[in-house]
Amino acid sequence: DAKTTQPNSMESNEEEPVHLPCNHSTISGTDYIHWYRQLPSQGPEYVIHGLTSNVNNRMASLAIAEDRKSSTLILHRATLRDAAVYYCILSIIQGAQKLVFGQGTRLTINP
Amino acid sequence: DAGVTQSPTHLIKTRGQQVTLRCSPKSGHDTVSWYQQALGQGPQFIFQYYEEEERQRGNFPDRFSGHQFPNYSSELNVNALLLGDSALYLCASSPTAGVEAFFGQGTRLTVV
Repeated sequence: DAKTTQPNSMESNEEEPVHLPCNHSTISGTDYIHWYRQLPSQGPEYVIHGLTSNVNNRMASLAIAEDRKSSTLILHRATLRDAAVYYCILSIIQGAQKLVFGQGTRLTINP
Repeated sequence: DAGVTQSPTHLIKTRGQQVTLRCSPKSGHDTVSWYQQALGQGPQFIFQYYEEEERQRGNFPDRFSGHQFPNYSSELNVNALLLGDSALYLCASSPTAGVEAFFGQGTRLTVV
């Protein structure tokens, strides 16, 4: 399984944008980049995924480097509810995939 | 839609005992995966069930086994419990061709 590297923790202020980085230098051509987050006392929840192009949805944006060796999850306007552990995961999408979680980034949002 | 439901929410067992955890997938989802999450760590993949068969398995011993029923619900069984089996056990469901996995709230297992 290809490996991802994320900072252990990050801190930001409410209503400001947050950029969460992820390095995946050994990514293969068939790997999709997924982001999940886990709020306190909850199971992980899907945030966004992409292959090569940047992606936007109601929760966040995903910016993928041209060489695909890194990506950034962007929360455009953080709220206190966005405080969570964010996981960057590589996975081949073939039906329902197995997810290989790393340590993730613990995001703290200051009021 | 109830989402993914797991039972029980908390459980305390003694070393050497056996435990069964249960999961009901989100409506319409036929694939169920189980994960173990130790304190302060990311979830680790145990195995995945589809069409009542184990389709993929992570690096877990045979003490960990599972089952999927015709209604797609699933059980995780752990035999000969060790202290190190204490963790949050998460169930995730997805449709066959789905991208997104939906997780339950988990079962907190404590082995004493």
